[in-house]
Amino acid sequence: QVQLQQSGAELAKPGASVKMSCKASGYTFTSYWMHWVKQRPGQGLEWIGYINPSTGYTEYNQKFKDKATLTADKSSSTAYMQLSSLTSEDSAVYYCARRGTGLGSYFDYWGQGTTLTVSS
Amino acid sequence: DIVMTQSPSSLSVSAGEKVTMSCKSSQSLLNSGNQKNYLAWYQQKPGQPPKLLIYGASTRESGVPDRFTGSGSGTDFTLTISSVQAEDLAVYYCQNDHSYPLTFGAGTKLELK
Repeated sequence: QVQLQQSGAELAKPGASVKMSCKASGYTFTSYWMHWVKQRPGQGLEWIGYINPSTGYTEYNQKFKDKATLTADKSSSTAYMQLSSLTSEDSAVYYCARRGTGLGSYFDYWGQGTTLTVSS
Repeated sequence: DIVMTQSPSSLSVSAGEKVTMSCKSSQSLLNSGNQKNYLAWYQQKPGQPPKLLIYGASTRESGVPDRFTGSGSGTDFTLTISSVQAEDLAVYYCQNDHSYPLTFGAGTKLELK
């Protein structure tokens, strides 16, 4: 069965960087694009961007262009997201979500989420 | 960016009631090439990731009970739950899948009366 297993909760200091992971199993990793979504406590969902694991091509929400860096390792079927220059505004749950390769594909599987807390 | 506006922000209901919630997009989500609406609905329960309920505005994801119905086209969409069950208490989000950046509504929270 399809599973997206995300790395554990992170506690980071303001100004630092953090890299979280999303390990995929149960399907061909390179056949789907991996997306990342942010959810602040009690808030809605924000799309950060996606990576095509097959080619490494990425596309970002302009709002996160200087904040997030998406990468993927085909050999381990793992997607990564690095967040830089952390502030309290980055404290949130971050989800990876699988989606097909075109518009109208939708997020059919989600990871359990990684909670990031930014605090001095 | 396409702005997704959901209403109401919360709904207080009793088990067995019929519920309707709305989602409006600032631009049409209809793909003129294939006449499909690129709109999805997700259900999120506390402490869980969102779950895909409806895609293409009206197609139920596999395993989703038939009490959930999506309808609408263009810029106006509706999610209806014909008879609310206790396990349906959650936040419901609509999502634009028509163009990047992908965007979500702010959600409608379904609460027990």
